[in-house]
Amino acid sequence: EPEVTQTPSHQVTQMGQEVILRCVPISNHLYFYWYRQILGQKVEFLVSFYNNEISEKSEIFDDQFSVERPDGSNFTLKIRSTKLEDSAMYFCASGTGGNTEAFFGQGTRLTVV
Amino acid sequence: AQSVTQLGSHVSVSEGALVLLRCNYSSSVPPYLFWYVQYPNQGLQLLLKYTTGATLVKGINGFEAEFKKSETSFHLTKPSAHMSDAAEYFCAASSSGSARQLTFGSGTQLTVLP
Repeated sequence: EPEVTQTPSHQVTQMGQEVILRCVPISNHLYFYWYRQILGQKVEFLVSFYNNEISEKSEIFDDQFSVERPDGSNFTLKIRSTKLEDSAMYFCASGTGGNTEAFFGQGTRLTVV
Repeated sequence: AQSVTQLGSHVSVSEGALVLLRCNYSSSVPPYLFWYVQYPNQGLQLLLKYTTGATLVKGINGFEAEFKKSETSFHLTKPSAHMSDAAEYFCAASSSGSARQLTFGSGTQLTVLP
């Protein structure tokens, strides 16, 4: 069964460093998403991406964040200069759009120290 | 703005007992509603969703949920709990049927006791 895969499963980085979280969406999907869950808090929408551009983003998704689909298969989330409060589980999701469901990856746990 | 409230961050039931996980939404328009399940070290898996039509929605693993507009609720039920149902369950809402801007509840950890 096709699935969304995320790498790495756990990343530890020093405050101020750049990190790139990687996702391989399901191959025929056209819509891509990033969500995050800070420990003990709700899963929060960050950004949606369609047709090689951001279609929607939340107020969390500030200039420190960027997304890219560099090669037609990967979908990445970059955090330019990490802060302690960026520590969270980051979920990638993909879907075919319309009223169809989104398929989520298993998440990348980012720890900023 | 939408919000989703899940009553009870932890719910324990005995194996074979009824599972009831509560979800209420707040929205100016009826939203699309979803239940996701997360098993340890895994991603979020869709259990079921309500978009339009029949208000009683059946999902995978014997779960179902009923959309009650008058109560702004979308509670998840399963008649008989199984040990394998132990997981975290998330209710979510969207203004469209897709994953665009899903608003999640805070999650309910379900424990199934032998």
